[in-house]
Amino acid sequence: GNSVTQMEGPVTLSEEAFLTINCTYTATGYPSLFWYVQYPGEGLQLLLKATKADDKGSNKGFEATYRKETTSFHLEKGSVQVSDSAVYFCALTRFSGGYNKLIFGAGTRLAVHP
Amino acid sequence: GAVVSQHPSWVICKSGTSVKIECRSLDFQATTMFWYRQFPKQSLMLMATSNEGSKATYEQGVEKDKFLINHASLTLSTLTVTSAHPEDSSFYICSARDKGAEGSPLHFGNGTRLTVT
Repeated sequence: GNSVTQMEGPVTLSEEAFLTINCTYTATGYPSLFWYVQYPGEGLQLLLKATKADDKGSNKGFEATYRKETTSFHLEKGSVQVSDSAVYFCALTRFSGGYNKLIFGAGTRLAVHP
Repeated sequence: GAVVSQHPSWVICKSGTSVKIECRSLDFQATTMFWYRQFPKQSLMLMATSNEGSKATYEQGVEKDKFLINHASLTLSTLTVTSAHPEDSSFYICSARDKGAEGSPLHFGNGTRLTVT
């Protein structure tokens, strides 16, 4: 079945450090891939997405490339800020029962210190 | 931007009672809403798809009689946890897609933390 595996957190970094959060997936067909972010006390927000192999999603300095050969969608940012502290969820779509449904990874908590 | 409001944000109830959680789309209409459950340090697990004006469709392993879903209007879906037990304690999150914006991303509520004592 379709599933998403993320690296376990928490990830603790100093401001301006380089960030990588690993995400791999198993899926039948060619799902769309997403990164969602949940800031403290808020709902999940879409951070970026990629809909086909080799697509690169980017937003707010974050980027991730859809790698079909390694079934990966790792999230990267060159220089993190304290305001990036949040929980990050990798997800893919599964078409089932007439709907595109999101399947999430467990989430990775990121803590950035000044 | 599109906002999904979930209420209550947290609730404590006694074992055997029922709890209702509301999910409202505040500035858009949603034909379909999705209900998720999240255990500590685990994924968001899709429980069911809520369809306006019709029965919800449940994921495998989710008890329909335990988790009653009603989607009576284009802006409101409710999840009722019936005869709650401590093992139902969890974080419940709803999401919705703007009916008038095909291909738009899902908008999520802030979640409801349920504790059953």
